[in-house]
Amino acid sequence: QKEVEQDPGPLSVPEGAIVSLNCTYSNSAFQYFMWYRQYSRKGPELLMYTYSSGNKEDGRFTAQVDKSSKYISLFIRDSQPSDSATYLCATLPATGFQKLVFGTGTRLLVSP
Amino acid sequence: DTEVTQTPKHLVMGMTNKKSLKCEQHMGHRAMYWYKQKAKKPPELMFVYSYEKLSINESVPSRFSPECPNSSLLNLHLHALQPEDSALYLCASSQVEGNQPQHFGDGTRLSIL
Repeated sequence: QKEVEQDPGPLSVPEGAIVSLNCTYSNSAFQYFMWYRQYSRKGPELLMYTYSSGNKEDGRFTAQVDKSSKYISLFIRDSQPSDSATYLCATLPATGFQKLVFGTGTRLLVSP
Repeated sequence: DTEVTQTPKHLVMGMTNKKSLKCEQHMGHRAMYWYKQKAKKPPELMFVYSYEKLSINESVPSRFSPECPNSSLLNLHLHALQPEDSALYLCASSQVEGNQPQHFGDGTRLSIL
């Protein structure tokens, strides 16, 4: 079992839809959670960075962490064609350095 | 535009060539990273530098040689690469090594002939 599971997609939605991207993880030591967006031929761009459980909102994006079920989500409101990209979740433990553990990434396609 | 700048954007080299990838950041970050990313896969960590010292080497073959000349610069020297080394090489930085968000550059797309 991978430490972080993520559906690779692709996930196709019409413009204006609410998008829900999800990851599950297995290690309860993970405390920091990130979402990256990666366009084709570009590097991952940090979208959201959260600690422990709860919600964090930034414009059209909301990150949600449920540590009790080991479930992390990214919601995109009013999705745009420019949101079409691969979205990677990533986690880190609370203490010490350990490498970012990535999900496999979900490819999102938003059609006009 | 990203705050981590990588050059060159593309590189094609033969298996006997020697080349270098360069990475620069001016965010005052003291931890820098090299990742390798194959198509449709997440990035895989190769090396970590913390305060200009090599902190982690993820058992990377010696044909990849990292160097950190100062706190803003990170190089990856390449020699005698194999075709399977063709990938996107990403540089990232964070304030310090540990539980800080990492910021990535746009990478160098490397092709080995």
